[in-house]
Amino acid sequence: GQNIDQPTEMTATEGAIVQINCTYQTSGFNGLFWYQQHAGEAPTFLSYNVLDGLEEKGRFSSFLSRSKGYSYLLLKELQMKDSASYLCAEKIKAAGNKLTFGGGTRVLVKP
Amino acid sequence: GAGVSQSPRYKVAKRGQDVALRCDPISGHVSLFWYQQALGQGPEFLTYFQNEAQLDKSGLPSDRFFAERPEGSVSTLKIQRTQQEDSAVYLCASSLAGDHGYTFGSGTRLTVV
Repeated sequence: GQNIDQPTEMTATEGAIVQINCTYQTSGFNGLFWYQQHAGEAPTFLSYNVLDGLEEKGRFSSFLSRSKGYSYLLLKELQMKDSASYLCAEKIKAAGNKLTFGGGTRVLVKP
Repeated sequence: GAGVSQSPRYKVAKRGQDVALRCDPISGHVSLFWYQQALGQGPEFLTYFQNEAQLDKSGLPSDRFFAERPEGSVSTLKIQRTQQEDSAVYLCASSLAGDHGYTFGSGTRLTVV
């Protein structure tokens, strides 16, 4: 998706931590979402940030800095089942309710 | 229903054939979205409905693509005269308020041969 950048692929070891960065368009920003998508399956909602700071949900945390147009998704205590694509998506005020997605970051967890 | 249901799960079409993809959203969800996802890419927006009104169709790639939601529930995405570049997964998503993301269906994988 245009204006949203995230790394294409990351590899990490089981039990470790991985941080997936995302930069987005700041003009008209109205919310930042992270989704997880296993191969051949539907994207599933992970987190939503609209204010600056860190939101923690179990092993997953998401951070937002609106002034920098930057977010990250932190995955702790990695498990093999965390191998998936992680999609960063932005909602823009002028665009109504639609989400604009980045290309996704494919995370491979190795034993 | 409990989730967003899409059918068929897989569709193989010969080039030039018309196809119709169905989405059954979560009951009561006002907003419905269609996305196209190419292999290894993120979903790309196609069109958006609020109830039966199609409020945004800016993502439809050509006039061969048409979507409808006549009674504000089930939606159909129709692609006429399919071409090879139409091969992708077509995802449908629905939302109640739109503030906390959508619920996606499992998608229809369209292969045009």
